[in-house]
Amino acid sequence: DTGVSQDPRHKITKRGQNVTFRCDPISEHNRLYWYRQTLGQGPEFLTYFQNEAQLEKSRLLSDRFSAERPKGSFSTLEIQRTEQGDSAMYLCASSLVFGNTEAFFGQGTRLTVV
Amino acid sequence: DAKTTQPPSMDCAEGRAANLPCNHSTISGNEYVYWYRQIHSQGPQYIIHGLKNNETNEMASLIITEDRKSSTLILPHATLRDTAVYYCIAYAGGTSYGKLTFGQGTILTVHP
Repeated sequence: DTGVSQDPRHKITKRGQNVTFRCDPISEHNRLYWYRQTLGQGPEFLTYFQNEAQLEKSRLLSDRFSAERPKGSFSTLEIQRTEQGDSAMYLCASSLVFGNTEAFFGQGTRLTVV
Repeated sequence: DAKTTQPPSMDCAEGRAANLPCNHSTISGNEYVYWYRQIHSQGPQYIIHGLKNNETNEMASLIITEDRKSSTLILPHATLRDTAVYYCIAYAGGTSYGKLTFGQGTILTVHP
């Protein structure tokens, strides 16, 4: 399967701990996106990269959140000092810059902060 | 991106056509209508998109009204596996490539 993969699929952490999620996009896709989804809501945009450059960040992305895509391939999303309100599904997606504009999503990482 | 309005839920019998409406009365000329769906515990899946003309692919058909203020996604022969949340998104692309604004969508339940 050459789709978008995310790791881990589930993460339970104690409040105050740091967590890091990984996303591997479809290999030829230049753009990579992170979204967050809480129960009963649609996904909300957090940030996106074109190659290794982070081009846009939502105001939802507080100072405790940081995302990287160091070599323009995989990406990591780190949350420092987790809070209960961070509990959500974190979704990664990727797309081409030109041509077909659809975004392909991974299965997500479900974070539970206890 | 323009706001879209969808009914919160719909039912459909297996084997029948599912017609999911979407209102986007403030859509601008360069905004496409995109449809995604999300099956429980999975990431959203692209279905189809269109600008002015009706579109069809192996999954669904998209009918856009002439004034582009509304559209309908048609699943011609719904199966139980089509039970999902369906999102209609007005999306301009360009510098916002891939940055999608999801609403709450329509929960489609296909029953036997």
